[in-house]
Amino acid sequence: GAVVSQHPSWVICKSGTSVKIECRSLDFQATTMFWYRQFPKQSLMLMATSNEGSKATYEQGVEKDKFLINHASLTLSTLTVTSAHPEDSSFYICSAITGFDQPQHFGDGTRLSIL
Amino acid sequence: QKEVEQNSGPLSVPEGAIASLNCTYSDRGSQSFFWYRQYSGKSPELIMFIYSNGDKEDGRFTAQLNKASQYVSLLIRDSQPSDSATYLCAMRPNDYKLSFGAGTTVTVRA
Repeated sequence: GAVVSQHPSWVICKSGTSVKIECRSLDFQATTMFWYRQFPKQSLMLMATSNEGSKATYEQGVEKDKFLINHASLTLSTLTVTSAHPEDSSFYICSAITGFDQPQHFGDGTRLSIL
Repeated sequence: QKEVEQNSGPLSVPEGAIASLNCTYSDRGSQSFFWYRQYSGKSPELIMFIYSNGDKEDGRFTAQLNKASQYVSLLIRDSQPSDSATYLCAMRPNDYKLSFGAGTTVTVRA
């Protein structure tokens, strides 16, 4: 149980393109999902917390107009990297929880490369 | 001071040995503690979670929590080459968010 699916797993695109990443909870309803970014040899950095039906809460230093998050249903959250540039190239990972005191379960991640 | 500190590693152990990973944290209000395993190029995978003081065992893995001393550890018994990965300690100080340690890279030598 607690399977989180993330799509696509790998994206290469030109600078200036907007990229949408989907995160789905397959066998449970996730009221809260999280978006992380991880650069090589570094730990996970939380970007934002996404709650169903409300605006995402962004961590300090994360541009909300750059990284658009939508959590339209209890099983789907999307992250859109707008006008992506090479410095946005990273490994983006989503996670979801089944309840407040439950562990976070991670998707497989999306490797984004901006040329 | 970082919220979560892990022994930096890397840690190299021979196959069949015990790998011991340690993590300390600063927020005494933390109630939930997690160990994740992350293979190179992959996303984290939950191994163990522990909420109460003491030991919790699951197969070859044992998590130990000592809230008074503010540390949590992970023991991997009978280490296998497939255990070679980076292990992330995480805790939940408040609300839903996790604070992660920097990770300890473990290499199991065949």
